[in-house]
Amino acid sequence: NAGVTQTPKFRILKIGQSMTLQCTQDMNHNYMYWYRQDPGMGLKLIYYSVGAGITDKGEVPNGYNVSRSTTEDFPLRLELAAPSQTSVYFCATRGGSLYEQYFGPGTRLTVT
Amino acid sequence: GNSVTQMEGPVTLSEEAFLTINCTYTATGYPSLFWYVQYPGEGLQLLLKATKADDKGSNKGFEATYRKETTSFHLEKGSVQVSDSAVYFCALSDQNRGSTLGRLYFGRGTQLTVWP
Repeated sequence: NAGVTQTPKFRILKIGQSMTLQCTQDMNHNYMYWYRQDPGMGLKLIYYSVGAGITDKGEVPNGYNVSRSTTEDFPLRLELAAPSQTSVYFCATRGGSLYEQYFGPGTRLTVT
Repeated sequence: GNSVTQMEGPVTLSEEAFLTINCTYTATGYPSLFWYVQYPGEGLQLLLKATKADDKGSNKGFEATYRKETTSFHLEKGSVQVSDSAVYFCALSDQNRGSTLGRLYFGRGTQLTVWP
């Protein structure tokens, strides 16, 4: 039982490049979330999904896209990387309980 | 709207010292409140929670009491250990019905370093 896995762990992108951050869960949770964590700041919600085929914007969605074709996977796409997207990205899931989200180990992204 | 204000760090303590990290919140309705902990190089883990006013959450020697009258949820531990060194996040959960139900709002995090 791996929980929430994220790949890659680290990535350096050049300005204007694109990439997909992968998130996979094996807990059969309906709710999934993408956050970014900037130094000295709390986590900001980028996008979330309440089930396969359903996604919605969070607080900071600009520059990102998501899809949710299966319960297990929730990839985050950066189309035209910008230095402002340098951050640590966390994927999280939630089951039926209101009370706990389960986080992946994160992806550290640098855009130069 | 929903927001969390958390004591700024970093906090540096000697082993066995008393710890308090302050957290206050603004929310519509009656949120659930949480403390999450992030150890170096890892994702966040739930440390403790409280779901209604006057509830006390506790885990691993840490405690926090949901105070509705002061809109606070301060984290305390009587005797910290080196292994408690981590970043601590206060958070609240959106309780409004609809797709945002269960969404978390985080404070900025407080870095705690404990020296032997």
